[in-house]
Amino acid sequence: DIVMTQSPDSLAVSLGERATINCKSSQSVLYNNKNYLAWYQKKPGQPPKQLIYWASTRESGVPDRFSGSVSGTDFTLTISSLQAEDVAVYYCQQYYATPLTFGGGTRVEIK
Amino acid sequence: QVQLQESGPGLVKPSQTLSLTCAVSGYSIRNGDYYWSWIRQPPGRGLEWIGYIYYSGSAYYNPSLKSRLSISVDTSKNQFSLEMTSVTAADTAVYFCARSSTDYGSDSWGQGTGVTVSS
Repeated sequence: DIVMTQSPDSLAVSLGERATINCKSSQSVLYNNKNYLAWYQKKPGQPPKQLIYWASTRESGVPDRFSGSVSGTDFTLTISSLQAEDVAVYYCQQYYATPLTFGGGTRVEIK
Repeated sequence: QVQLQESGPGLVKPSQTLSLTCAVSGYSIRNGDYYWSWIRQPPGRGLEWIGYIYYSGSAYYNPSLKSRLSISVDTSKNQFSLEMTSVTAADTAVYFCARSSTDYGSDSWGQGTGVTVSS
């Protein structure tokens, strides 16, 4: 199985400041020049919402303050200017191979 | 606009079988562009992929659960189902169904249904 390791477990960021979440895969999830890595936002009582696929492509309707980047097997989700509605747990997921696997999640709070 | 809705009992006794159904509307499972997934989240924990199925009936399971799982699809009713046998308290979770693409990830999710395993 591909292990996805997220860090930190939680972070507190001031409104308007940058939040950075890291995710590392235990092996490459690159195929045809695309990384099969997605980011999801999970709020209590709601289903996960997909923010990004292919490591850096935003889903339609997702604010552009959310961005994804990759360096090898290291992935980053950045919220450029944290808003109150961004308080949530964020998960990375590889969908390169079954079993699909998620990172452990990163809780983002307001400082 | 695709919508998914899970249904099933909220309480299951230990050692019994958990059965859930996901009704899909606004998109035909027969289109064949997507897999149809089950994912769960135990209380206070992260997300776990259970498995998914293609409209043809080809299913892929999480090896950690495979011996207890069966995912099926009914294209005539545009729905798919999960059966998990021999449940224990460790199977207590919110269960989500989702539309999944091998290219784009899981873009549409049901609201989730809570299942408690308890006598």
